[in-house]
Amino acid sequence: SQKIEQNSEALNIQEGKTATLTCNYTNYSPAYLQWYRQDPGRGPVFLLLIRENEKEKRKERLKVTFDTTLKQSLFHITASQPADSATYLCALDEGTYKYIFGTGTRLKVLA
Amino acid sequence: DTGVSQNPRHKITKRGQNVTFRCDPISEHNRLYWYRQTLGQGPEFLTYFQNEAQLEKSRLLSDRFSAERPKGSFSTLEIQRTEQGDSAMYLCASSLFRGRGTEAFFGQGTRLTVV
Repeated sequence: SQKIEQNSEALNIQEGKTATLTCNYTNYSPAYLQWYRQDPGRGPVFLLLIRENEKEKRKERLKVTFDTTLKQSLFHITASQPADSATYLCALDEGTYKYIFGTGTRLKVLA
Repeated sequence: DTGVSQNPRHKITKRGQNVTFRCDPISEHNRLYWYRQTLGQGPEFLTYFQNEAQLEKSRLLSDRFSAERPKGSFSTLEIQRTEQGDSAMYLCASSLFRGRGTEAFFGQGTRLTVV
Protein backbone atom coordinates (compact mmCIF):
# COMPACT_ATOMS: atom_id res chain seq x y z
CA SER A 1 0.00 0.00 0.00
CA GLN A 2 1.06 3.60 -0.45
CA LYS A 3 2.45 5.32 2.60
CA ILE A 4 4.03 8.63 3.52
CA GLU A 5 5.72 8.47 6.89
CA GLN A 6 7.01 11.28 9.03
CA ASN A 7 8.33 11.08 12.59
CA SER A 8 5.19 10.59 14.61
CA GLU A 9 6.83 11.71 17.82
CA ALA A 10 7.54 15.35 18.50
CA LEU A 11 11.07 16.59 17.92
CA ASN A 12 12.49 18.79 20.67
CA ILE A 13 15.70 20.67 19.99
CA GLN A 14 17.66 23.47 21.58
CA GLU A 15 17.55 26.95 20.08
CA GLY A 16 20.40 27.53 17.65
CA LYS A 17 20.73 23.87 16.66
CA THR A 18 19.77 22.37 13.31
CA ALA A 19 16.46 20.54 13.18
CA THR A 20 16.22 17.63 10.73
CA LEU A 21 12.84 16.18 9.81
CA THR A 22 12.33 13.06 7.73
CA CYS A 23 9.73 12.14 5.13
CA ASN A 24 9.79 8.55 3.84
CA TYR A 25 7.44 7.20 1.23
CA THR A 26 6.63 3.82 -0.27
CA ASN A 27 4.88 2.84 -3.48
CA TYR A 28 4.96 6.35 -4.86
CA SER A 29 7.11 7.82 -7.60
CA PRO A 30 6.59 11.53 -7.04
CA ALA A 31 8.01 14.02 -9.45
CA TYR A 32 7.55 16.81 -6.93
CA LEU A 33 7.65 17.06 -3.17
CA GLN A 34 6.56 20.01 -1.06
CA TRP A 35 7.05 20.98 2.56
CA TYR A 36 4.47 22.95 4.52
CA ARG A 37 4.36 24.46 7.98
CA GLN A 38 1.19 24.28 10.07
CA ASP A 39 0.52 26.16 13.29
CA PRO A 40 -2.22 24.98 15.69
CA GLY A 41 -5.70 25.84 14.47
CA ARG A 42 -4.46 27.17 11.13
CA GLY A 43 -4.11 25.88 7.60
CA PRO A 44 -0.76 24.71 6.21
CA VAL A 45 1.58 27.29 4.70
CA PHE A 46 3.81 26.40 1.76
CA LEU A 47 7.56 26.52 2.40
CA LEU A 48 9.53 24.76 -0.34
CA LEU A 49 9.13 22.66 -3.48
CA ILE A 50 11.74 20.22 -4.75
CA ARG A 51 11.67 18.34 -8.06
CA GLU A 52 12.83 14.76 -8.57
CA ASN A 53 15.84 15.90 -10.58
CA GLU A 54 16.97 18.27 -7.82
CA LYS A 55 19.08 16.87 -5.01
CA GLU A 56 18.83 19.89 -2.77
CA LYS A 57 16.93 23.16 -2.44
CA ARG A 58 17.60 26.05 -0.07
CA LYS A 59 15.63 29.05 1.14
CA GLU A 60 17.12 31.20 3.86
CA ARG A 61 17.56 28.89 6.88
CA LEU A 62 15.68 26.03 5.24
CA LYS A 63 17.15 23.19 3.23
CA VAL A 64 15.38 20.26 1.60
CA THR A 65 16.93 17.17 0.04
CA PHE A 66 15.19 14.61 -2.14
CA ASP A 67 16.60 11.13 -2.65
CA THR A 68 14.40 9.17 -5.06
CA THR A 69 16.54 6.05 -4.61
CA LEU A 70 16.05 6.01 -0.85
CA LYS A 71 12.50 7.37 -1.30
CA GLN A 72 13.20 9.99 1.29
CA SER A 73 13.22 13.74 1.78
CA LEU A 74 15.00 15.51 4.60
CA PHE A 75 13.99 18.97 5.80
CA HIS A 76 16.54 21.01 7.73
CA ILE A 77 16.12 24.22 9.70
CA THR A 78 19.47 25.73 10.64
CA ALA A 79 19.97 28.10 13.59
CA SER A 80 16.52 27.14 14.83
CA GLN A 81 14.44 29.60 16.83
CA PRO A 82 11.45 29.15 19.17
CA ALA A 83 9.33 30.77 16.43
CA ASP A 84 10.09 27.74 14.24
CA SER A 85 8.01 25.56 16.59
CA ALA A 86 5.16 24.12 14.51
CA THR A 87 4.09 20.98 12.69
CA TYR A 88 5.87 20.36 9.40
CA LEU A 89 4.17 18.39 6.66
CA CYS A 90 5.60 16.84 3.54
CA ALA A 91 3.35 16.39 0.53
CA LEU A 92 3.86 14.38 -2.66
CA ASP A 93 2.50 15.00 -6.11
CA GLU A 94 1.63 11.43 -6.94
CA GLY A 95 0.99 12.09 -10.58
CA THR A 96 -2.64 13.10 -10.65
CA TYR A 97 -2.03 16.81 -10.03
CA LYS A 98 -3.02 16.67 -6.37
CA TYR A 99 -0.84 16.47 -3.29
CA ILE A 100 -0.94 13.68 -0.74
CA PHE A 101 0.21 14.71 2.73
CA GLY A 102 2.18 12.90 5.37
CA THR A 103 1.10 12.86 8.99
CA GLY A 104 3.42 15.70 9.95
CA THR A 105 6.13 16.10 12.57
CA ARG A 106 5.72 18.44 15.52
CA LEU A 107 8.87 20.48 16.15
CA LYS A 108 9.48 22.30 19.39
CA VAL A 109 12.49 24.60 19.67
CA LEU A 110 13.46 25.20 23.27
CA ALA A 111 14.83 28.59 24.31
CA ASP B 1 -7.34 40.24 2.91
CA THR B 2 -6.57 38.42 -0.32
CA GLY B 3 -6.03 34.94 1.12
CA VAL B 4 -8.32 31.92 1.02
CA SER B 5 -11.37 32.52 3.17
CA GLN B 6 -13.47 29.80 4.79
CA ASN B 7 -16.77 30.13 6.59
CA PRO B 8 -17.81 29.36 9.17
CA ARG B 9 -14.66 28.86 11.23
CA HIS B 10 -16.44 26.58 13.65
CA LYS B 11 -19.62 24.53 13.35
CA ILE B 12 -21.28 22.35 15.97
CA THR B 13 -24.12 20.22 14.73
CA LYS B 14 -26.24 17.35 15.90
CA ARG B 15 -25.82 13.96 14.34
CA GLY B 16 -28.08 13.56 11.36
CA GLN B 17 -28.17 17.23 10.43
CA ASN B 18 -26.86 18.63 7.15
CA VAL B 19 -24.05 21.18 7.10
CA THR B 20 -22.59 23.36 4.36
CA PHE B 21 -19.22 25.06 4.33
CA ARG B 22 -18.06 27.81 2.02
CA CYS B 23 -14.64 28.54 0.57
CA ASP B 24 -13.64 31.72 -1.25
CA PRO B 25 -10.34 31.11 -3.06
CA ILE B 26 -7.74 33.67 -4.00
CA SER B 27 -9.08 35.65 -6.91
CA GLU B 28 -8.18 34.18 -10.31
CA HIS B 29 -6.95 30.90 -8.86
CA ASN B 30 -8.21 28.19 -11.17
CA ARG B 31 -7.72 25.20 -8.88
CA LEU B 32 -9.60 24.61 -5.67
CA TYR B 33 -9.04 21.69 -3.28
CA TRP B 34 -10.89 20.33 -0.26
CA TYR B 35 -9.03 18.39 2.41
CA ARG B 36 -10.09 16.95 5.75
CA GLN B 37 -7.77 16.82 8.75
CA THR B 38 -8.22 15.04 12.07
CA LEU B 39 -6.10 15.54 15.16
CA GLY B 40 -2.55 14.32 14.76
CA GLN B 41 -2.97 13.53 11.07
CA GLY B 42 -2.04 15.28 7.88
CA PRO B 43 -4.64 16.73 5.52
CA GLU B 44 -6.53 14.02 3.65
CA PHE B 45 -7.55 14.76 0.06
CA LEU B 46 -11.30 14.92 -0.62
CA THR B 47 -11.82 16.54 -4.01
CA TYR B 48 -10.61 19.23 -6.37
CA PHE B 49 -11.89 21.53 -9.09
CA GLN B 50 -10.31 23.03 -12.16
CA ASN B 51 -12.45 26.13 -12.66
CA GLU B 52 -16.01 24.81 -12.28
CA ALA B 53 -15.25 21.21 -13.22
CA GLN B 54 -14.85 18.68 -10.43
CA LEU B 55 -11.94 16.60 -11.71
CA GLU B 56 -11.42 14.09 -8.95
CA LYS B 57 -13.19 12.87 -5.88
CA SER B 58 -11.60 10.65 -3.25
CA ARG B 59 -12.96 7.16 -2.80
CA LEU B 60 -13.07 8.03 0.88
CA LEU B 61 -15.79 10.55 0.15
CA SER B 62 -19.12 8.89 0.75
CA ASP B 63 -22.32 9.79 -1.08
CA ARG B 64 -23.21 12.03 1.86
CA PHE B 65 -20.54 14.49 0.73
CA SER B 66 -20.98 16.80 -2.21
CA ALA B 67 -19.00 19.76 -3.42
CA GLU B 68 -19.72 22.42 -5.99
CA ARG B 69 -17.90 25.30 -7.54
CA PRO B 70 -20.44 27.21 -9.60
CA LYS B 71 -18.94 29.64 -12.08
CA GLY B 72 -15.47 28.61 -11.02
CA SER B 73 -15.33 31.03 -8.10
CA PHE B 74 -16.33 30.10 -4.53
CA SER B 75 -16.97 26.51 -3.54
CA THR B 76 -19.30 24.79 -1.12
CA LEU B 77 -18.90 21.45 0.62
CA GLU B 78 -22.07 19.88 1.94
CA ILE B 79 -22.28 16.94 4.32
CA GLN B 80 -25.67 15.32 4.62
CA ARG B 81 -26.83 13.27 7.61
CA THR B 82 -23.70 14.03 9.59
CA GLU B 83 -22.08 11.32 11.71
CA GLN B 84 -19.72 11.66 14.64
CA GLY B 85 -16.91 10.38 12.43
CA ASP B 86 -17.29 13.48 10.28
CA SER B 87 -15.89 15.61 13.09
CA ALA B 88 -12.70 17.13 11.70
CA MET B 89 -11.12 20.28 10.32
CA TYR B 90 -12.17 20.86 6.71
CA LEU B 91 -9.52 22.74 4.76
CA CYS B 92 -9.86 24.50 1.46
CA ALA B 93 -6.88 25.41 -0.72
CA SER B 94 -6.48 27.17 -4.03
CA SER B 95 -3.74 27.52 -6.60
CA LEU B 96 -3.02 29.20 -9.91
CA PHE B 97 -2.25 25.96 -11.65
CA ARG B 98 0.48 26.21 -14.27
CA GLY B 99 1.63 22.62 -14.14
CA ARG B 100 2.81 20.12 -11.62
CA GLY B 101 4.50 21.47 -8.53
CA THR B 102 2.29 24.53 -8.14
CA GLU B 103 2.00 25.55 -4.50
CA ALA B 104 -1.36 25.56 -2.77
CA PHE B 105 -2.63 28.31 -0.51
CA PHE B 106 -4.76 27.07 2.37
CA GLY B 107 -7.55 28.74 4.28
CA GLN B 108 -7.89 28.67 8.06
CA GLY B 109 -10.28 25.75 7.89
CA THR B 110 -13.74 25.01 9.26
CA ARG B 111 -13.76 22.91 12.40
CA LEU B 112 -16.80 20.64 12.48
CA THR B 113 -17.97 18.97 15.67
CA VAL B 114 -20.81 16.47 15.41
CA VAL B 115 -22.48 15.77 18.75
